[in-house]
Amino acid sequence: EAGVVQSPRYKIIEKKQPVAFWCNPISGHNTLYWYRQNLGQGPELLIRYENEEAVDDSQLPKDRFSAERLKGVDSTLKIQPAELGDSAVYLCASSLVPEETQYFGPGTRLLVL
Amino acid sequence: DAKTTQPPSMDCAEGRAANLPCNHSTISGNEYVYWYRQIHSQGPQYIIHGLKNNETNEMASLIITEDRKSSTLILPHATLRDTAVYYCIVRFNSGGGADGLTFGKGTHLIIQP
Repeated sequence: EAGVVQSPRYKIIEKKQPVAFWCNPISGHNTLYWYRQNLGQGPELLIRYENEEAVDDSQLPKDRFSAERLKGVDSTLKIQPAELGDSAVYLCASSLVPEETQYFGPGTRLLVL
Repeated sequence: DAKTTQPPSMDCAEGRAANLPCNHSTISGNEYVYWYRQIHSQGPQYIIHGLKNNETNEMASLIITEDRKSSTLILPHATLRDTAVYYCIVRFNSGGGADGLTFGKGTHLIIQP
């Protein structure tokens, strides 16, 4: 069974540019999570989806970050415009339902110059 | 803030059992103990979780004290590939709803040849 797929794996952009990350969860998983991991820290939850609905986006910086999961499967996380402090690894995870175990993708490593 | 306390680093000899401690003195009745690990440049990998009873799977064993205020993850025969950051996470899960994962800084386990 395929795991969580993320792309791109690496992205380098200049500050003020937009950037987008894509996630394909494990087939059949209705819950999808985006986390951000700063260097030397553990991942921090940004947003959680149950099907198409964002049920917890309290930690998402809404001035520049947006996310969508239009058909309840794939999801996109966007930053516009990017700032130097956004350099981090962006991780996507999924679970069958919210109560079940979360499985993580490999992450997208973003560097903002 | 994370609800767990872990040593920042540990060493273990290859082939020996690695015992990773975790304190979670404020854990409540609906909170499970989860363990994940993260190998360099990869996403977090699920290891094991439990509520009250000790648990064992193909990767590890989880020993939870009777008062549930601490636990130990045991890797029975550590190999060099077990070198990683290990995260102990307390997660609310009532069966009718569950939180995302709140990561701390984890324990950096180094397996020595």
